[in-house]
Amino acid sequence: SQQGEEDPQALSIQEGENATMNCSYKTSINNLQWYRQNSGRGLVHLILIRSNEREKHSGRLRVTLDTSKKSSSLLITASRAADTASYFCATHPQTALIFGKGTTLSVSS
Amino acid sequence: GAVVSQHPSWVICKSGTSVKIECRSLDFQATTMFWYRQFPKQSLMLMATSNEGSKATYEQGVEKDKFLINHASLTLSTLTVTSAHPEDSSFYICSASRRDGYGYTFGSGTRLTVV
Repeated sequence: SQQGEEDPQALSIQEGENATMNCSYKTSINNLQWYRQNSGRGLVHLILIRSNEREKHSGRLRVTLDTSKKSSSLLITASRAADTASYFCATHPQTALIFGKGTTLSVSS
Repeated sequence: GAVVSQHPSWVICKSGTSVKIECRSLDFQATTMFWYRQFPKQSLMLMATSNEGSKATYEQGVEKDKFLINHASLTLSTLTVTSAHPEDSSFYICSASRRDGYGYTFGSGTRLTVV
């Protein structure tokens, strides 16, 4: 089962532009996490935001959380070609992490 | 810290054979391990959750007799794909949660191709 839905499914931008990805989820959460996956590789944890937080920053990443709308967004500022990857939000309604469908980001130089 | 090693990184096998994938937590004790499957251009789908020393809990639609999971120790879980068929070709990823409850660590994944 999948907890979250991301949009857009695919996003293509130029280097230097900002990329925004959105995620919606279904159940109540304690926290929401964002992961990155390069093609055919494992997952890299990017950032975790707790249910009592509304916004969190980490370097060029900015995550927001709106628990009333059950949604989160990930903003990558000043994108680089190396940011090209798939991005997933994830929650754990029970023990396991459940992932959204993901957004594939392509950054061209 | 918190490294999970998954082997092999890729494997090609013939239809009808079995393949074993290992997932080891290298520097922490993993009370719970998770197995995911990912088809091309899709998200990770949870297959099963395993706790050390007990039977795995499988998600709906996942055949437990086909995907055998063993979690015999706090640092090792294995997934065996039995009688593999081409439709089992996929990317399999394991994840481990620490005994102290701090986060999830993922293996680097195994690309299985059944020919």
